[in-house]
Amino acid sequence: DGGITQSPKYLFRKEGQNVTLSCEQNLNHDAMYWYRQDPGQGLRLIYYSQIVNDFQKGDIAEGYSVSREKKESFPLTVTSAQKNPTAFYLCASSSLTGARSNTGELFFGEGSRLTVL
Amino acid sequence: AQTVTQSQPEMSVQEAETVTLSCTYDTSESDYYLFWYKQPPSRQMILVIRQEAYKQQNATENRFSVNFQKAAKSFSLKISDSQLGDAAMYFCACDPNSGYALNFGKGTSLLVTP
Repeated sequence: DGGITQSPKYLFRKEGQNVTLSCEQNLNHDAMYWYRQDPGQGLRLIYYSQIVNDFQKGDIAEGYSVSREKKESFPLTVTSAQKNPTAFYLCASSSLTGARSNTGELFFGEGSRLTVL
Repeated sequence: AQTVTQSQPEMSVQEAETVTLSCTYDTSESDYYLFWYKQPPSRQMILVIRQEAYKQQNATENRFSVNFQKAAKSFSLKISDSQLGDAAMYFCACDPNSGYALNFGKGTSLLVTP
C-alpha cells in the first residue's frame, strides 16, 4: 500500500547525542515536510523540500538538519544544538505545491516520539 | 506570513449532538486551500475536509461541513450527529498555494460524552 513510513516510533537519546529520524514515502510525491508537535503548540514546521537535493528552513529549523538525496526519503537529524528536543515528530508529503491540480493535502506518517534522557 | 488561530483549546459535545469548532486565518494570498485534520489518540493525522478559497460553496463530507467566510477569513467545522469516535484533536490549516507548507493552528481537543 502507498504511504509514508517513519521510524523509529520511539527513540531515546542522551544529551549531547545526535539522532536521525527516518521518513520514507512511496506516493511519488515531490514535496516532503517535517513538523514538530508539542502539547498546546500545534504543528510547527521544521524543514521542507520540494525537489531532490534542495530544502528550505521552516519556522523552527535551529538545531535540526535534513537531506534529500532521493525523492522517496527525507531524514531528519536532531543535533545536540537542539536545546529541547523531546517532542513528537511528524513527517508528511504532498504533490508539488503551486500546481492548480494539486489539492495541497498533506499525507502524514505515524510519527516518531523522541525523548531525551 | 500566514497565521491560523483556533480560539477553543477544548470543546465538549454529547453523542448525537452538533458541535462547531472555530478557526480564523490570515493570509495575503487570494487563492489558497483550507483544511481540517483530525488527530485521534493514535496520533495519526487524518484529513477531515478541504475547502478551496475560490469556491463559494461550503464543503461537506458526510457529517462534517464547513462554514467558510472568505471576507472574514473564518473557516469553522461543524460536526453533526457526533459519535464517540469523533473524540480527537482537530487542527485547522491553511495552504497559501505559494510554494510553502501548510500552516497549522494549535488545535482544539474535542471530547464526546455518551
